[in-house]
Amino acid sequence: DAMVIQNPRYQVTQFGKPVTLSCSQTLNHNVMYWYQQKSSQAPKLLFHYYDKDFNNEADTPDNFQSRRPNTSFCFLDIRSPGLGDAAMYLCATSRDLQKNQPQHFGDGTRLSIL
Amino acid sequence: GQSLEQPSEVTAVEGAIVQINCTYQTSGFYGLSWYQQHDGGAPTFLSYNGLDGLEETGRFSSFLSRSDSYGYLLLQELQMKDSASYFCAVKGAAGNKLTFGGGTRVLVKP
Repeated sequence: DAMVIQNPRYQVTQFGKPVTLSCSQTLNHNVMYWYQQKSSQAPKLLFHYYDKDFNNEADTPDNFQSRRPNTSFCFLDIRSPGLGDAAMYLCATSRDLQKNQPQHFGDGTRLSIL
Repeated sequence: GQSLEQPSEVTAVEGAIVQINCTYQTSGFYGLSWYQQHDGGAPTFLSYNGLDGLEETGRFSSFLSRSDSYGYLLLQELQMKDSASYFCAVKGAAGNKLTFGGGTRVLVKP
C-alpha cells in the first residue's frame, strides 16, 4: 500500500507557467518535506512543515512555495518555472523531528519545462 | 555547513561484498542514515546509526565512528536487485534537516 503518494508522476509545463505538485500521506506523520533532485545528484531539501509550522531552507528560491492545508496533504507551487527547475521533486514524511526517525519518500514527480 | 563524501560508483559481481564509505563534516551531529534509490524510484530508508558501532539488518550492515566522522554501509551476498544508488545522510546542528551525500551507484554484474 502506497503511504506517500505523489501526483502526477510526470508533469510538463511551459517556461514561466505556474505549476503545482501534490503529495498526500496515509501515515499521519507530523512532518512533510519537499526535496528537489536533479539527475545523478543528491536530494536537496527545499522546505518542510512540522504540523502547520513552515520551515524554508535559506537557499530555496523565492519561486518555490508550499502549502499544507491539512495533515495529509502538502503542495509545492512553482510560480514561474525556469529551465533550471526541471528535476525530480520528492515528497517525504517523518513521524516527528526526532533524530532517529526515518523519512518515507514518495515516488516523486518528474517535472519537465518546455 | 555540512558536507559528505562517498565514492561515485562501485561495480561488483553477484554474491560479492561491497563496502560504501562515507565521511562527513557537520556542525553538530545527530546521526548517520543510509538510503537506497533505484533508478526512477523513491529513496528508501535502510539504516540509522546514532552511536558508534555496527547495526545489522539482514544482508546490509552500517557502521559509525563518530570520532573519525566516518561510516560505511556493507552490502553482503550481493544480488542483482541491489543495483541502485546508495546515499549516506546526516542530521546536523539543525537536527531536523537531512543532508545527503552525492550517492554511490552500485552496479551488480552476473
